[in-house]
Amino acid sequence: GAGVSQTPSNKVTEKGKYVELRCDPISGHTALYWYRQSLGQGPEFLIYFQGTGAADDSGLPNDRFFAVRPEGSVSTLKIQRTERGDSAVYLCASSTQQGYEQFFGPGTRLTVL
Amino acid sequence: AQSVTQPDIHITVSEGASLELRCNYSYGATPYLFWYVQSPGQGLQLLLKYFSGDTLVQGIKGFEAEFKRSQSSFNLRKPSVHWSDAAEYFCAVGAIDGGFKTIFGAGTRLFVKA
Repeated sequence: GAGVSQTPSNKVTEKGKYVELRCDPISGHTALYWYRQSLGQGPEFLIYFQGTGAADDSGLPNDRFFAVRPEGSVSTLKIQRTERGDSAVYLCASSTQQGYEQFFGPGTRLTVL
Repeated sequence: AQSVTQPDIHITVSEGASLELRCNYSYGATPYLFWYVQSPGQGLQLLLKYFSGDTLVQGIKGFEAEFKRSQSSFNLRKPSVHWSDAAEYFCAVGAIDGGFKTIFGAGTRLFVKA
């Protein structure tokens, strides 16, 4: 079956702009995770959804970052007033339930000029 | 708070040689432990996981890892490395603390020489 998909695969924006990154999890997976991976680093946890609600958003770096999952499936990560330091690969993963194997998408490479 | 340390930024081994990648974690209770591999241009792929039970776990591609509670370690091993194993390897710890969070180490890049 289809894996986790993320769109767009690449996004180039200017400093101060607003961006939305989309994640389509594997069908039936109730848990969804967002991570950020900077060059040479491991993925950094941002937020975790169980169903429609954010069960843990402690990894969001500041209030410019926000994520939603209104119907418990597709999720959107929203970044306001982008800064050059936001440049990274944003990864999405899903799992059948918390604590189990996470399946990762290919990521969205965000470049803020 | 949980954390993961991968002390080796990069390792070079000869094809056919054995491999051990080190991972130490910090967490107060029994953690969920994972090893992922990331090849250039590829997404993260799970190699193996430990939740409970037998402390020696087998994974895909001939990899295994051993959970040692006394050393807070979860080292990854392979008896004979293939050139196609060259990639970045990440150890991760997951724990339920009123929610669920997975913390990744910084990764170890494996180079394989002929």
